[in-house]
Amino acid sequence: DQQVKQNSPSLSVQEGRISILNCDYTNSMFDYFLWYKKYPAEGPTFLISISSIKDKNEDGRFTVFLNKSAKHLSLHIVPSQPGDSAVYFCAARNTGNQFYFGTGTSLTVIP
Amino acid sequence: EAQVTQNPRYLITVTGKKLTVTCSQNMNHEYMSWYRQDPGLGLRQIYYSMNVEVTDKGDVPEGYKVSRKEKRNFPLILESPSPNQTSLYFCASSLSWTGAGYGYTFGSGTRLTVV
Repeated sequence: DQQVKQNSPSLSVQEGRISILNCDYTNSMFDYFLWYKKYPAEGPTFLISISSIKDKNEDGRFTVFLNKSAKHLSLHIVPSQPGDSAVYFCAARNTGNQFYFGTGTSLTVIP
Repeated sequence: EAQVTQNPRYLITVTGKKLTVTCSQNMNHEYMSWYRQDPGLGLRQIYYSMNVEVTDKGDVPEGYKVSRKEKRNFPLILESPSPNQTSLYFCASSLSWTGAGYGYTFGSGTRLTVV
C-alpha cells in the first residue's frame, strides 16, 4: 500500500508562472518530508525538506508547505524556469527511520 | 567532488547467477541506503545502514543482502537474482539520519536486467 502518493503523473506550466506539485500521505507518524528532483539518466537530487513541526520552508524559488491535518505536502516553484523540467519525488520518513517515496510527477516548463 | 559512485551502470544477467552492485561515497556520511525504482511504484527502500556494521531492512528486502564493513562502502548483493528483480537501483547516503535538512545524495543508478 502506497503510504506517499503523488496523484498527478505529469504537469505542464508556462515559463515564469507558478508550478505546484502535490503529495498526500497516510501515516500520521511521518516526522520529516523531502522533495527530490530527477533528470533522466541521473540519480535524484535533494531539493528541499521540512520537519513535521513546521508548516512552511522556503529556499529561493522553492517553497514547501505542510498541512498536517490534511496529510498534504506541496512544492511551489516561483517563477518556473525551463531548467526545472524534471521528475519530482516527494518522500517522508517514519520514526523507524524508513523513507517512503511517491511515484513522481513529471514537470514540463514550456518556454 | 562529493559523490556517490555506483557500479556498474548497466548489467544484464541470468537467473540465479550471484551478483554484487557496488556503492561508495566520499563524504564521510554515516547513513547509506539502497532503493529500487519501478514504474508506478516510485522509489522503494531495500536496506539501509546507520553506521559501520549496522544494517536494517527497508520496505522490500527479500532477495537482497547488504554489508557495511567500512563507512564508505555499501554493496548490494543478489545471491540468486530472479526476473522480478529487474529494476533501476539507486544507492544513497546522508550525513545524518536524524534532524531536518539532511537530504540524501544519490548515485547515478544501476539498471539491472535479469533474464
